Amino acid sequence: AQTVTQSQPEMSVQEAETVTLSCTYDTSESDYYLFWYKQPPSRQMILVIRQEAYKQQNATENRFSVNFQKAAKSFSLKISDSQLGDAAMYFCAYASLNTGNQFYFGTGTSLTVIP
Amino acid sequence: GAVVSQHPSWVICKSGTSVKIECRSLDFQATTMFWYRQFPKQSLMLMATSNEGSKATYEQGVEKDKFLINHASLTLSTLTVTSAHPEDSSFYICSAPLPRDYGYTFGSGTRLTVV
Repeated sequence: AQTVTQSQPEMSVQEAETVTLSCTYDTSESDYYLFWYKQPPSRQMILVIRQEAYKQQNATENRFSVNFQKAAKSFSLKISDSQLGDAAMYFCAYASLNTGNQFYFGTGTSLTVIP
Repeated sequence: GAVVSQHPSWVICKSGTSVKIECRSLDFQATTMFWYRQFPKQSLMLMATSNEGSKATYEQGVEKDKFLINHASLTLSTLTVTSAHPEDSSFYICSAPLPRDYGYTFGSGTRLTVV
């Protein structure tokens, strides 16, 4: 089974600064998707960014960008110009194209934004 | 678009009673629904996968008779916690694959407290 590892249980960042959240995964598949989801205190899961494994170009969504290193099986999330509203749990997730759309979630990183 | 409505958002029940949680896809047909359980400050753990018109697939260690899943239509999947006990208290979230893109949409979750 695929595993997703987030080695940083907690991170903090000063408002307006940049922070990078780490994620590594283990798979033998060549085609898959990777996601970062945000879970604020409301506990609603919100999609932050998505990366298709076959695309070499790193995905970007406004202040959020990823560093996707397929060979190293690494998928880090960079948040630029951090805002107070970015404070949340962030989950990295792997989606296989071969196992019925199942998601494999990492353990999460709790991000605190310091005003 | 692609909203999953989950109800109730929170429920308190007495030990030994049953509780039903509903997830409805509002503007698309969800042939598949994933059910997750999340403990405080932990990741989402997949419990089962329901498919419209067929039996649900349960993850290892999940009691089928305790967590009854029904996917009677293309827009409704339900999770019934039978004979609930305090250890069943948790946050339950449903998720469905997006209809026209690769990704997933999540319900807003149900906080179950068994007293």
